[in-house]
Amino acid sequence: QVQLVQSGAEVKMPGSSVKVSCKASGGPFSSYSINWVRQAPGQGLEWMGGIIPIFGTGKYPQRFQDRVTITADEATDTVYLEVTGLTSADTAVYYCARDLVSGRYDYFDSWGQGTLVTVSS
Amino acid sequence: EIVLTQTPATLSLSPGERATLSCRASQSVDTYLAWYQQKPGQAPRLVIFDGSHRATGIPARFRGSGSGTDFTLAISSLEPEDFAVYYCQHHNTWPTFGGGTKVEIK
Repeated sequence: QVQLVQSGAEVKMPGSSVKVSCKASGGPFSSYSINWVRQAPGQGLEWMGGIIPIFGTGKYPQRFQDRVTITADEATDTVYLEVTGLTSADTAVYYCARDLVSGRYDYFDSWGQGTLVTVSS
Repeated sequence: EIVLTQTPATLSLSPGERATLSCRASQSVDTYLAWYQQKPGQAPRLVIFDGSHRATGIPARFRGSGSGTDFTLAISSLEPEDFAVYYCQHHNTWPTFGGGTKVEIK
């Protein structure tokens, strides 16, 4: 199974941006979607978007289309999540997760360890 | 957007008992539904996909069933490691998750 390793915890000011990375190893990368799922403290899971690196274009739910950008670097097997206009509501653990099936946004069978992003003044 | 509603919010059971978790979709999702297990401080783990298929390494005591709008995750005899929060998930326009059911020790 592929391993996903995420960058470390971040503390950000309201209104700023954050960029989190997710590096894949041990399995195919380019044709499988890498997705970002966040979890606010004590809350459930929320899909923020994903990318299939070989296609290069991110897919986002409507509520995140204006503030979230997901990019991929095939040279390093790394996917990035950037969130702009941070508010306290963005305080959460952010997970990257790879899809079970190539070329799809279906189910996620490999997960990163999570990155805590804290937004506070 | 399809909404997934999970019941109950909390299930209090003893080891060895049977657990039955429910996930209802606001409209039909065929069999395109997954279940995840999440323990405190850990990432979610895929348990069931496509309604009834166990993911790699998932023991046979986990059984998913259902189609259309009503789905069930049954754990035949709870082991200590099964106490966790379980989420259902569909992928219609985009992946969406239910609110979760916490299976706690009674």
